Amino acid sequence: ILNVEQSPQSLHVQEGDSTNFTCSFPSSNFYALHWYRWETAKSPEALFVMTLNGDEKKKGRISATLNTKEGYSYLYIKGSQPEDSATYLCAPLAGNQFYFGTGTSLTVIP
Amino acid sequence: EAQVTQNPRYLITVTGKKLTVTCSQNMNHEYMSWYRQDPGLGLRQIYYSMNVEVTDKGDVPEGYKVSRKEKRNFPLILESPSPNQTSLYFCASSLSVAGSTDTQYFGPGTRLTVL
Repeated sequence: ILNVEQSPQSLHVQEGDSTNFTCSFPSSNFYALHWYRWETAKSPEALFVMTLNGDEKKKGRISATLNTKEGYSYLYIKGSQPEDSATYLCAPLAGNQFYFGTGTSLTVIP
Repeated sequence: EAQVTQNPRYLITVTGKKLTVTCSQNMNHEYMSWYRQDPGLGLRQIYYSMNVEVTDKGDVPEGYKVSRKEKRNFPLILESPSPNQTSLYFCASSLSVAGSTDTQYFGPGTRLTVL
């Protein structure tokens, strides 16, 4: 079992603020790192898949970076909007298994 | 429309009564997986399948069975459900896993209550 930690557990920000979350995982036996966005009463939706050290992905106002040597990934949201409110999950892929963190719950206050 | 479907979406049952939760995908994906979500815990993988007739245990396989007789279907079987299997279950699929950057697509979830 891979121990995956996400911080903070929850976050409340004002509309327009920029924010970031952390996903930490053991750097050995790692193949890829997935980020998902999970809105209440819906299913998780894929945001990014990252594999290379130093990898950086961007989708609109959301971006992510990956450091495989030290075992962490950051997710950034620039200029948060109320529709960004969701739980953000990271899931390293080791072997053929996914190991999900407990997520960071983001609430954006209008 | 490309999708992962699960049935039923909600189920209340009693201890010991065998049940099956179906999962089907129409994207010709090789990799399929079952997860359970419990409060305070991350999604935990129950079983996964790399392809037809190839299944492997995840982190929490006890009390569950799966089969992969066809590429599109991956049912989850609870032979004798117990209250500790009350949970929210998700099925997911991706084109492949090994050597890929393919994303997982999740089904809508099945909320199971075992009394």
